[in-house]
Amino acid sequence: DAKTTQPPSMDCAEGRAANLPCNHSTISGNEYVYWYRQIHSQGPQYIIHGLKNNETNEMASLIITEDRKSSTLILPHATLRDTAVYYCIVRVLGSSGDKLTFGTGTRLAVRP
Amino acid sequence: NAGVTQTPKFQVLKTGQSMTLQCAQDMNHEYMSWYRQDPGMGLRLIHYSVGAGITDQGEVPNGYNVSRSTTEDFPLRLLSAAPSQTSVYFCASSDGDQPQHFGDGTRLSIL
Repeated sequence: DAKTTQPPSMDCAEGRAANLPCNHSTISGNEYVYWYRQIHSQGPQYIIHGLKNNETNEMASLIITEDRKSSTLILPHATLRDTAVYYCIVRVLGSSGDKLTFGTGTRLAVRP
Repeated sequence: NAGVTQTPKFQVLKTGQSMTLQCAQDMNHEYMSWYRQDPGMGLRLIHYSVGAGITDQGEVPNGYNVSRSTTEDFPLRLLSAAPSQTSVYFCASSDGDQPQHFGDGTRLSIL
């Protein structure tokens, strides 16, 4: 399974954009990049996913490089409620199940 | 639509005791999984199921058993609890290529 590498921590000011990077240099052509976040010790919350095109939804934007070896999650206007651990995951789907391999994520602190 | 429901939310056990962590989903999802999360770590896959009657091992299956007799339920059993199994346990479900939905977790302490 493809592994991901994220910085252990980041911070940003409230109202500014938060840009969270992720490296996934061994990703295969049919593997998606997923982003989840975990607030306190709650269950992980799905944010966004993509294959090779940039994606945007009501929560965030996902920018994937053309070679698919890295991606960036963008929270356009971070709020205090966005303080959480953010996980970048390569998702493997197939007949042997739906497996998510979590790393240690990036702990984002949004400061007032 | 309750999503993924885990019970209990908290549990304290003594070493050697057995117990079952319950997980139920009402979304008719085929895939269900159990993860554990130790302090400061990401989630690790224990067991998973691709449908009723089918289960398989994940990354850290030792000390845990599962069964999947219905689509809705996927219980996780600890046959003889050990302190190393102190952790937060998350159940998840998904269907097709839709994102996995996670429960709120069970916080388990083994003395």
